[in-house]
Amino acid sequence: EAGVAQSPRYKIIEKRQSVAFWCNPISGHATLYWYQQILGQGPKLLIQFQNNGVVDDSQLPKDRFSAERLKGVDSTLKIQPAKLEDSAVYLCASSPSKAGESGTGELFFGEGSRLTVL
Amino acid sequence: GQNIDQPTEMTATEGAIVQINCTYQTSGFNGLFWYQQHAGEAPTFLSYNVLDGLEEKGRFSSFLSRSKGYSYLLLKELQMKDSASYLCAVRGPRGSYIPTFGRGTSLIVHP
Repeated sequence: EAGVAQSPRYKIIEKRQSVAFWCNPISGHATLYWYQQILGQGPKLLIQFQNNGVVDDSQLPKDRFSAERLKGVDSTLKIQPAKLEDSAVYLCASSPSKAGESGTGELFFGEGSRLTVL
Repeated sequence: GQNIDQPTEMTATEGAIVQINCTYQTSGFNGLFWYQQHAGEAPTFLSYNVLDGLEEKGRFSSFLSRSKGYSYLLLKELQMKDSASYLCAVRGPRGSYIPTFGRGTSLIVHP
């Protein structure tokens, strides 16, 4: 079974530029998450999708961050304009459990996209 | 909201046993995860506890006490490859079940 795919693995941009990250979850997984992980910290949720709908985006800085999951499969996360404090690893995860289901809700993570903002 | 606390760093000797603690305060609890994350890699699932008690899986065991808001991950027969960050994550309220992660415990295993 193929895992969660993310690209690009690394990106270096200057502040005020824009960047986009792409995620392809495990086939059949209904729920998709984007997490931001700053060096030395745990992952912080940005947004949760179930199929192509947003379940929770309360921690997404909507003035500069946007995310979509068209057709309920792939997802993109965009930052425009980037700030220095956006330097982090952006982790995409998927889960076979739907947002309203109990189950174990295990998350399967991709390798992440490391962003450096200069 | 969720508040999760775990030690920042621990060191242990190869072959020994180490216990990594996690305490949490939450408005809605629906399970607790432990993930392992090697430097520069994605987190990988270790365990999930939703009921009180000990879950054993090979060299790793995880314990949960819901009344105390407390969990621990026990690693036995430590190996050098166990050097990694260990993330405690609490699964949130019904409707979303979103996992909220602690900042992780960096475990260093030395010979």
